[in-house]
Amino acid sequence: EPEVTQTPSHQVTQMGQEVILRCVPISNHLYFYWYRQILGQKVEFLVSFYNNEISEKSEIFDDQFSVERPDGSNFTLKIRSTKLEDSAMYFCASSADGFSGSLTEAFFGQGTRLTVV
Amino acid sequence: AQSVTQLGSHVSVSEGALVLLRCNYSSSVPPYLFWYVQYPNQGLQLLLKYTSAATLVKGINGFEAEFKKSETSFHLTKPSAHMSDAAEYFCAVRIAAGNKLTFGGGTRVLVKP
Repeated sequence: EPEVTQTPSHQVTQMGQEVILRCVPISNHLYFYWYRQILGQKVEFLVSFYNNEISEKSEIFDDQFSVERPDGSNFTLKIRSTKLEDSAMYFCASSADGFSGSLTEAFFGQGTRLTVV
Repeated sequence: AQSVTQLGSHVSVSEGALVLLRCNYSSSVPPYLFWYVQYPNQGLQLLLKYTSAATLVKGINGFEAEFKKSETSFHLTKPSAHMSDAAEYFCAVRIAAGNKLTFGGGTRVLVKP
């Protein structure tokens, strides 16, 4: 069964360092997303990406964040200068929305646990 | 704008008892509603979804949910809890294709033998 894969599963970084979280969405999907879950809190939307551009972003997704689909298969989230409060589980998701105008569910990866020290 | 409220951050049930997890939503347009489950140290797995077809939706692992527009609710039930149902459950809403999912706060289910 197709799945969304994320690497690495865990990442520890020093405050102020740049990190790149990587995701391989399901191959025929059109929409890609990043969410995060701070420990003990709800899952929060960060950004959605469609047709090689950001389609929606939350207030969390400030200038420190960026997304890219560099090669047609990977989808990355970059945090330029990490802060302690960026420590969270980051989930990538993809969906096949758009085929025949239908809405489908989003499929989630296993997540990357980012710890900023 | 859309929002989701899950009543009860923790629910404890006995094995074999009914599981009832409550979800109420707010949406300016007809919503699409989802329940996801998260097992410890894992990602989010879809349990079931409502996309404006039948109001009673059956999902995996014996779960079902009923969409009630008049009550703006989408409660999740399972007639008989199993130990393997111990997990955190999230209700979520979307309003259009490609739109973000908005999640509720989650309900952690503990199943007692």
